[in-house]
Amino acid sequence: RKEVEQDPGPFNVPEGATVAFNCTYSNSASQSFFWYRQDCRKEPKLLMSVYSSGNEDGRFTAQLNRASQYISLLIRDSKLSDSATYLCVVKRNQGGKLIFGQGTELSVKP
Amino acid sequence: DVKVTQSSRYLVKRTGEKVFLECVQDMDHENMFWYRQDPGLGLRLIYFSYDVKMKEKGDIPEGYSVSREKKERFSLILESASTNQTSMYLCASSLLANYGYTFGSGTRLTVV
Repeated sequence: RKEVEQDPGPFNVPEGATVAFNCTYSNSASQSFFWYRQDCRKEPKLLMSVYSSGNEDGRFTAQLNRASQYISLLIRDSKLSDSATYLCVVKRNQGGKLIFGQGTELSVKP
Repeated sequence: DVKVTQSSRYLVKRTGEKVFLECVQDMDHENMFWYRQDPGLGLRLIYFSYDVKMKEKGDIPEGYSVSREKKERFSLILESASTNQTSMYLCASSLLANYGYTFGSGTRLTVV
């Protein structure tokens, strides 16, 4: 079983739709959680950190459920420019190593 | 903004060649990392370093080595390139263990 698992998609949604991505992690001692965005043929870039209380950044909302070892990302009012692959990322308790999920591909259509 | 620079965007090498991938960051970050990214497998950690002359194996170190002689530079070495090392290689750095990473733009290596 992979340490971080995501639905690879692709998710094809119309502009303006709300879309949710889910991620599960297997190491209960994981300490920090992030969502990264990766555009085609580009490097991953940090989208947002995920906190236990949940956090929001504009149209993006991230949630963490430690009991279920589950992380989510909600995108409201999708834009064409949101088309990308979204990577769920978990930090192991030892050191600063980040473990990446495979990514979920999102395609927003006009 | 932190800048992480990888020396080559695209490389083509022959089987058996020794290959050097260079990575330089300009913000005095302690931590540096090398990942490879393959379709269906995501990003996998090869090696990382928390300080000068320090290195630790990641999840897939076989066939690779690294060098960190200066804080800003972290080199990945393929001792004898093989076709299964054809991949996108991504270097990253971070200031502290709990921070996110900044990635370089990647090197797409093809071994023929």
